[in-house]
Amino acid sequence: DAKTTQPNSMESNEEEPVHLPCNHSTISGTDYIHWYRQLPSQGPEYVIHGLTSNVNNRMASLAIAEDRKSSTLILHRATLRDAAVYYCIPQTNYGGSQGNLIFGKGTKLSVKP
Amino acid sequence: EAGVAQSPRYKIIEKRQSVAFWCNPISGHATLYWYQQILGQGPKLLIQFQNNGVVDDSQLPKDRFSAERLKGVDSTLKIQPAKLEDSAVYLCASSLSSGRPFSYEQYFGPGTRLTVT
Repeated sequence: DAKTTQPNSMESNEEEPVHLPCNHSTISGTDYIHWYRQLPSQGPEYVIHGLTSNVNNRMASLAIAEDRKSSTLILHRATLRDAAVYYCIPQTNYGGSQGNLIFGKGTKLSVKP
Repeated sequence: EAGVAQSPRYKIIEKRQSVAFWCNPISGHATLYWYQQILGQGPKLLIQFQNNGVVDDSQLPKDRFSAERLKGVDSTLKIQPAKLEDSAVYLCASSLSSGRPFSYEQYFGPGTRLTVT
């Protein structure tokens, strides 16, 4: 499995941008990078995924380094509702070809009003 | 679109008792997953179904845990007998399909919090 490194925790102020880093130096060239988040007392929810190019959706943006050894999840304007644990999951962390997810400990994001 | 439903939301039992959890996935989703999440850790996959067949149960403690997915829709996860270390949140998730090169987005239910005393 590709090893990932994420900060244990980060803090942000409300309405400011947040950059959540993830190192995945052993990812292979054809594996997607997925991000999920888990709000308190809820199940995880999908945020975004990408392969090589930067990706945007209504929730966030994903910036992928040119060498693909790292990526950054960007929340453009953090809200209190964005306080959650954010998981970076390279596709090699899927069990074989079965599509299951292998979660690390993620980054706990706190948002201050 | 209705999400993944799970019940009960909370359960407290004594060790050596039995417990069962129920999951109803999103309509049309072929793949169903059960995860165990111990406090402070990320979720860990226990078992994966594709329709009503088991795809991966390599991390399911089969001496005490069992799961089934009859008719390829609802699923139940059972623990018999429970141990103290089974205290955790049990999450059910579903997806349209699975497999490379792109694994479909998984949708998670709210989970069942189990406390074993």
